[in-house]
Amino acid sequence: AQSVSQHNHHVILSEAASLELGCNYSYGGTVNLFWYVQYPGQHLQLLLKYFSGDPLVKGIKGFEAEFIKSKFSFNLRKPSVQWSDTAEYFCAVNGGSQGNLIFGKGTKLSVKP
Amino acid sequence: KAGVTQTPRYLIKTRGQQVTLSCSPISGHRSVSWYQQTPGQGLQFLFEYFSETQRNKGNFPGRFSGRQFSNSRSEMNVSTLELGDSALYLCASKLTSLQETQYFGPGTRLLVL
Repeated sequence: AQSVSQHNHHVILSEAASLELGCNYSYGGTVNLFWYVQYPGQHLQLLLKYFSGDPLVKGIKGFEAEFIKSKFSFNLRKPSVQWSDTAEYFCAVNGGSQGNLIFGKGTKLSVKP
Repeated sequence: KAGVTQTPRYLIKTRGQQVTLSCSPISGHRSVSWYQQTPGQGLQFLFEYFSETQRNKGNFPGRFSGRQFSNSRSEMNVSTLELGDSALYLCASKLTSLQETQYFGPGTRLLVL
């Protein structure tokens, strides 16, 4: 069965610090990978996605993620976080014939001004 | 284009009652999926509907059911509510049943007393 692990439950950073959130998945076949963000009181929004091609994908608001197939990883990065990045971040995968998403438990990011 | 809409946004029920939640997908989207979000279990897939047919189902008891109408709107029903059913129920839509980007609605927050 597919599963997704997000290593950090809660990350606290100061503004301008760099961010890397870990995501590992377990699935042996071709996968599509996603990062979603949930700002306080708002609905889940797509940050970025990887289907195929360049393993370094760029998303909205300066976020990027790198797909490393050999490590089954899809880590999210941002060089300099802002207070407005405070939110919960979810990594998700679907693969095989499944159209549904399997989500990680999420990482809460708190950015101190 | 309007996003995914869900009604009602908030609901309070008592144990043993039943509840029906509604989801209207983005115009033109024919696939609707439902997810349950709780602090302990995170985001878990309930079921997916496409062209009025259930395509895929998660690991939830039979008390959880759904349906989709010819206009792609979907409803989810939970019968004999339990305290543990308190959660945020999210609906997501996409164009087809394939592995595409899903767009989420704001959710219905259900509290079971």
